[in-house]
Amino acid sequence: DIVMTQSPESLAVSLGERATINCKSSQSIFYSSNSKNSLAWFQHKPGQPPRLLISWASTRESGVPDRFSGSGSGTDFTLTISSLQAEDVAVYYCQQYYNTPRTFGQGTKVEIK
Amino acid sequence: QVQLVQSGAEVKKPGASVKVSCKASGYTFSAYHIHWVRQAPGQGLEWLGQIYPKSGATEYEQKFRGRVTMTTDSSITTAYMELSRLTSDDTALYYCAREDWKYDYWGQGTLVIVSS
Repeated sequence: DIVMTQSPESLAVSLGERATINCKSSQSIFYSSNSKNSLAWFQHKPGQPPRLLISWASTRESGVPDRFSGSGSGTDFTLTISSLQAEDVAVYYCQQYYNTPRTFGQGTKVEIK
Repeated sequence: QVQLVQSGAEVKKPGASVKVSCKASGYTFSAYHIHWVRQAPGQGLEWLGQIYPKSGATEYEQKFRGRVTMTTDSSITTAYMELSRLTSDDTALYYCAREDWKYDYWGQGTLVIVSS
């Protein structure tokens, strides 16, 4: 199984400041058939299903604000919120879809400082 | 528009089984895998398995094999996840999700409480 390790576990950032979340996979999740990394980022708020923010490591989904960006390749990935807003308070998960079992990071809780 | 609508909350006793449904609409049901993911209280997201409605092929997370059964009824575009021999550790929110490589649409979640 591919182990996804996120850091930090929690993060307190001032409004308007940058938040950075890291995700490391235990093996490469680079899919050679399309030359993309099989990594997604989700935002999860209480009482709601997870919301897909980023797919293929860096492709922002439709409707996702451009303050959210994803980067990285191979085994090391990053989700950046460039200017934290109050509505961004949530738990964020990375997930690999390179193979099964699909595995998630343990989550990073983002709060306002 | 794509929608996944799940069945309502369930309360079950230890040792019982639960069957959660996920009604899909707005797309060709047979063309996309349905995955099941759960979140126990205070825990992260955990993958249970997947089913491909077109063939009925399933794949389950190893820890759930023998306890979980995923099925579909294409005539009513509905997927089901049944979990048996429930324990308190199975208390969780259960989600279905459509897979197009990524999980682009999710159900609203079904709360399953296991309590004596």
